[in-house]
Amino acid sequence: AQSVTQPDIHITVSEGASLELRCNYSYGATPYLFWYVQSPGQGLQLLLKYFSGDTLVQGIKGFEAEFKRSQSSFNLRKPSVHWSDAAEYFCAVGVGGGNKLTFGTGTQLKVEL
Amino acid sequence: EPEVTQTPSHQVTQMGQEVILRCVPISNHLYFYWYRQILGQKVEFLVSFYNNEISEKSEIFDDQFSVERPDGSNFTLKIRSTKLEDSAMYFCASSESTYEQYFGPGTRLTVT
Repeated sequence: AQSVTQPDIHITVSEGASLELRCNYSYGATPYLFWYVQSPGQGLQLLLKYFSGDTLVQGIKGFEAEFKRSQSSFNLRKPSVHWSDAAEYFCAVGVGGGNKLTFGTGTQLKVEL
Repeated sequence: EPEVTQTPSHQVTQMGQEVILRCVPISNHLYFYWYRQILGQKVEFLVSFYNNEISEKSEIFDDQFSVERPDGSNFTLKIRSTKLEDSAMYFCASSESTYEQYFGPGTRLTVT
């Protein structure tokens, strides 16, 4: 069965610093890959997605992610973090005929001013 | 911008009671989903729904759960006899085509 690993449960960065959140997946074929963000008390907002083609994808709020097939990774990056980026970030994999998403356990991002 | 809405935002119920969680998907979307997130845990898939039938369901989605699209706009999740372990945030999602799912704000279900 497919799985998604987000090895970092918590990450703290200073405002203005760069950010990289790690995501590794386990799946036989190339899955559809997503990053979602969840602010406290809010739902899940889609940041970006990868289906095929260019392995570097751009998303909203200045985020980007790079798909690396050799490493089964889809890491999320942002060159300069803003205090409003503090939230929980989920990596997800889309597999199966019913289009279900399998989520990682999430990374809680704290931004220090 | 169109969005998925869910009602109520918080539901408290007693063990053994039936609850219905409601969702209004984005209007031109054809695929509908329910997920849940137990406090402190990952988001888990429950069920997907397309063309008025379930297309996939997880092991969690047992006979106590059912989904329905009673009219052209609503999508509901019913839990027939709630248990303490059903306490969670329930998210509805919809998509126009494969995979790009848009989530609602969730309903927090508390079973006492």
